[in-house]
Amino acid sequence: DIQMTQSPSSLSASVGDRVTITCRASQGISKYLAWFQQKPGKAPKSLIYAASSLQSGVPSKFSGSGSGTDFTLTISSLQAEDSATYYCQQYKSYPLTFGGGTKVEIK
Amino acid sequence: QVQLVESGGGVVQPGRSLRLSCAASGFTFTSYGLHWVRQAPGKGLEWVAGISHDGGNKYYADSVKGRFTISRDNSKNTLYLQMNSLRAEDTAVYYCVKDNYYDSSAYQDYWGQGTLVTVSS
Repeated sequence: DIQMTQSPSSLSASVGDRVTITCRASQGISKYLAWFQQKPGKAPKSLIYAASSLQSGVPSKFSGSGSGTDFTLTISSLQAEDSATYYCQQYKSYPLTFGGGTKVEIK
Repeated sequence: QVQLVESGGGVVQPGRSLRLSCAASGFTFTSYGLHWVRQAPGKGLEWVAGISHDGGNKYYADSVKGRFTISRDNSKNTLYLQMNSLRAEDTAVYYCVKDNYYDSSAYQDYWGQGTLVTVSS
């Protein structure tokens, strides 16, 4: 199974800050990497697929990069509504696996 | 618009069975693979099972293999998860998730709102 490791597990940042979350795969997954945002009590929402492709309707302040084993999700200017938990997920092979999540809080 | 509506959750005793359903609309059901993903209270996301667009291929997490069965009825636009021999550790919100396709691969895009399964005596 491919293990996905996210860091940090939580962070606190101010409105307007640039925020970066890292995801590492235990083996190469090319660009088969997605990012999801989950707010409390809600279902996850797709943000990014294929490591860097923005899902339709997602604001351009979200961006993804990376390939192989190392990936990042960047929020260019953090807003209050971005407070959520973010998950990476590999879809190169079964079983599909998720990172442990990064909880983003606003200072 | 894409809608995935799960149902069938509830409280069930250990060792008993439960069947979840996911009613889909807003897309061509027969063209897309589907999955079940769960989330235990206060925990992260865990993929449970997946099924191809025609039901010909099924995939399971080791944690549920032999106990859970994923299936679909393309005439009813409905996905199912038959859960047998339930354990306390199966307690979670279960989400129905749809595939989409890009660059010859399937990624997951839309999620239902989830249905809560509680396994407790």
